Amino acid sequence: GNSVTQMEGPVTLSEEAFLTINCTYTATGYPSLFWYVQYPGEGLQLLLKATKADDKGSNKGFEATYRKETTSFHLEKGSVQVSDSAVYFCALSEAKTSYDKVIFGPGTSLSVIP
Amino acid sequence: DTAVSQTPKYLVTQMGNDKSIKCEQNLGHDTMYWYKQDSKKFLKIMFSYNNKELIINETVPNRFSPKSPDKAHLNLHINSLELGDSAVYFCASSQDLWASGSGTDTQYFGPGTRLTVL
Repeated sequence: GNSVTQMEGPVTLSEEAFLTINCTYTATGYPSLFWYVQYPGEGLQLLLKATKADDKGSNKGFEATYRKETTSFHLEKGSVQVSDSAVYFCALSEAKTSYDKVIFGPGTSLSVIP
Repeated sequence: DTAVSQTPKYLVTQMGNDKSIKCEQNLGHDTMYWYKQDSKKFLKIMFSYNNKELIINETVPNRFSPKSPDKAHLNLHINSLELGDSAVYFCASSQDLWASGSGTDTQYFGPGTRLTVL
């Protein structure tokens, strides 16, 4: 079945450091890929998405490129801020019917210290 | 305007009690979901409804019963609460495009309900 694997956290970085959170997936077809972010005490919200191979999703300085050859969708940001401290979830959707569901990774907790 | 709202935000109750969590979305979406998030932040889908019809029912104790009075509302009723039910429960909605072959669209999450069973 479909699955999503993320690097284990927690990840702790200093402000302005470079961030990479690895995400790899297994899917039978051509899924859409997502990164969701969950700030403390809140629900998940979409950070960015890509719907086909080689697409790059970007938002708030974060980027991720859909790599079909390596089945990856790594999240990157050039310079993190304290306000980026959150849990990040990689997800895939290959819904062909209403019975299919979005598959979420286990989440990676990021703490950015001043 | 809140897109997906849940009430209550916090719920503290004794073991054995029955409680309900309400969810409403004003996005006009066709599909709504319930997720359970444990203390390690792992997110697990429990149910999904499409146009008031139960579509996904994961391996969840039958003490959990979802109800969708209309496509904008999806409530979760839990009977005989147990300690292991303590978690954060999230409602979500999406405009599913699978009917046109485009796959599931972005999910919009509510703020969550933190349930603590004592």
